[in-house]
Amino acid sequence: DAGVIQSPRHEVTEMGQEVTLRCKPISGHDYLFWYRQTMMRGLELLIYFNNNVPIDDSGMPEDRFSAKMPNASFSTLKIQPSEPRDSAVYFCASSYSGLQAFFGQGTRLTVV
Amino acid sequence: EDQVTQSPEALRLQEGESSSLNCSYTVSGLRGLFWYRQDPGKGPEFLFTLYSAGEEKEKERLKATLTKKESFLHITAPKPEDSATYLCAVQVRSNDYKLSFGAGTTVTVRA
Repeated sequence: DAGVIQSPRHEVTEMGQEVTLRCKPISGHDYLFWYRQTMMRGLELLIYFNNNVPIDDSGMPEDRFSAKMPNASFSTLKIQPSEPRDSAVYFCASSYSGLQAFFGQGTRLTVV
Repeated sequence: EDQVTQSPEALRLQEGESSSLNCSYTVSGLRGLFWYRQDPGKGPEFLFTLYSAGEEKEKERLKATLTKKESFLHITAPKPEDSATYLCAVQVRSNDYKLSFGAGTTVTVRA
């Protein structure tokens, strides 16, 4: 398996623009997680899904953030409108039955 | 509130100089404790899961142990390729399957 695949790897956008991050989990995994990593706050969970259903979105910072999982092999994290403070590395991870999570390579987002 | 604290923040070792990293946790009920390794520009890579006090896991030069309040990651005779940030995370029974991470320990091993 190719592991968790995220795209794009890098994204630079202007403040106010919409940003969409994409994730393909490992085939057969039933949990999908979105994390954000910054120097100040470390790794923070934003939202996670079980069998494509959002279970906990308490980490989503505000209404500008939304996530979807239309099927077992694809998820998106959208920020609209984006702000400079959203600049971070966003990771997607997947796991089977909630066991060890496998992370993607991340998307480095810069909002200018 | 659940807390995960890692120490030290940074560790500089000479090749072959063994040492330990600490992860202390305060949680309402531990489901599992996880260790990950993260290299610059990459996602965290899974190392170990520990579920109960007294449990130990080993992989090459790394050994993880767990007590009721903390976990240790022992690095025996490290090599430069062991240089990375090591992250500790907990799953708490009441919080289902999400992971709460510590801030990490950055290990640098000099040849």
